[in-house]
Amino acid sequence: DAGVIQSPRHEVTEMGQEVTLRCKPISGHNSLFWYRQTMMRGLELLIYFNNNVPIDDSGMPEDRFSAKMPNASFSTLKIQPSEPRDSAVYFCATKTQVGNTEAFFGQGTRLTVV
Amino acid sequence: DQQVKQNSPSLSVQEGRISILNCDYTNSMFDYFLWYKKYPAEGPTFLISISSIKDKNEDGRFTVFLNKSAKHLSLHIVPSQPGDSAVYFCAAPRQGNLIFGKGTKLSVKP
Repeated sequence: DAGVIQSPRHEVTEMGQEVTLRCKPISGHNSLFWYRQTMMRGLELLIYFNNNVPIDDSGMPEDRFSAKMPNASFSTLKIQPSEPRDSAVYFCATKTQVGNTEAFFGQGTRLTVV
Repeated sequence: DQQVKQNSPSLSVQEGRISILNCDYTNSMFDYFLWYKKYPAEGPTFLISISSIKDKNEDGRFTVFLNKSAKHLSLHIVPSQPGDSAVYFCAAPRQGNLIFGKGTKLSVKP
């Protein structure tokens, strides 16, 4: 398995534009997480899904952020409109739902909003 | 409310010596803990874990110790190598997701 695949690796966009980050989970993993890493707040959970259903989106900072998981092999995180303070590295991670198993992370998307 | 805390943002150690990374938690319901390692421009990767029924788990140069009464765990790396230089996160599962500390940047100097 190729692991968790995120795209794009880097995104530079202008303030006000829509940004869409993509994630392909490891096959068979039915829990998917979106994290954001910043210097100030470290790794913070934005939202997570079990079996394609959003379970906890309390970490989504504002209505400008939305996430979807239309099927077991794809998820998106969308920011519309983007702002400079959204600049961060966004990680997708997946795991099996059962038991205390580790989550596997993608390589992240570095977002810069200018 | 930070349920998993790593109070040292950075640590510098000489090659060959022991590195000790610390983590404190506040939720006594946590029963499993994980350590992740992160290199620049890469995602975190799982390193080692420990269940609350144990007080120690060892894997090669890496050992994690758990002190439940103090709500404290530590990761020992011995001997430390320059390739260990990375950011280390401790994490605990809660209601299906993982709660991470803010990380400690370890620098191992040759």
